[in-house]
Amino acid sequence: QQPVQSPQAVILREGEDAVINCSSSKALYSVHWYRQKHGEAPVFLMILLKGGEQKGHDKISASFNEKKQQSSLYLTASQLSYSGTYFCGTEQNYGQNFVFGPGTRLSVLP
Amino acid sequence: EAQVTQNPRYLITVTGKKLTVTCSQNMNHEYMSWYRQDPGLGLRQIYYSMNVEVTDKGDVPEGYKVSRKEKRNFPLILESPSPNQTSLYFCASSLTGGTGELFFGEGSRLTVL
Repeated sequence: QQPVQSPQAVILREGEDAVINCSSSKALYSVHWYRQKHGEAPVFLMILLKGGEQKGHDKISASFNEKKQQSSLYLTASQLSYSGTYFCGTEQNYGQNFVFGPGTRLSVLP
Repeated sequence: EAQVTQNPRYLITVTGKKLTVTCSQNMNHEYMSWYRQDPGLGLRQIYYSMNVEVTDKGDVPEGYKVSRKEKRNFPLILESPSPNQTSLYFCASSLTGGTGELFFGEGSRLTVL
């Protein structure tokens, strides 16, 4: 079952923060986050596992709330290079099919 | 260089003409999968494979076949393509299943007339 992402789209000015949410009605084993720029393949950002901790690198971090089956991606002090479509991907159990959300389009303006 | 290679990158074909999109990875990954991407629908999984000779259906398997005879290759076969299979296709691989980072190929844009 496809996870739900919100918002569908967001426009920011350089330096502003953003939060993208991903939620599922099913219990999750893992949540992935990927960014895709126009005309390119998705690129991995991070994975959060059931029972895992909040992760981050550079100014992008994420959390996973197991009780709510929800993950959030936090982009701090956004840069122009952050523009693209962000997808969360979920797996309910190890070895089951991996399902992506519909994506959130992020545009960072100068 | 570690990579996932798909071929062809672009293809225009006609309804009913069988075609195969090849996917090969050089990272000794166990897990491989195919996705199609359509506007507004995100990436939808077609088939996935946890290891050699093990394949499973994803969310949209109808009209597609796959095989995993070797660890490095995971071809996608359209036996009788139809216009609703016009899409952008991505192959991806990871060391393990859902716990591993997915590496994507560059994509194959298929048009079925």
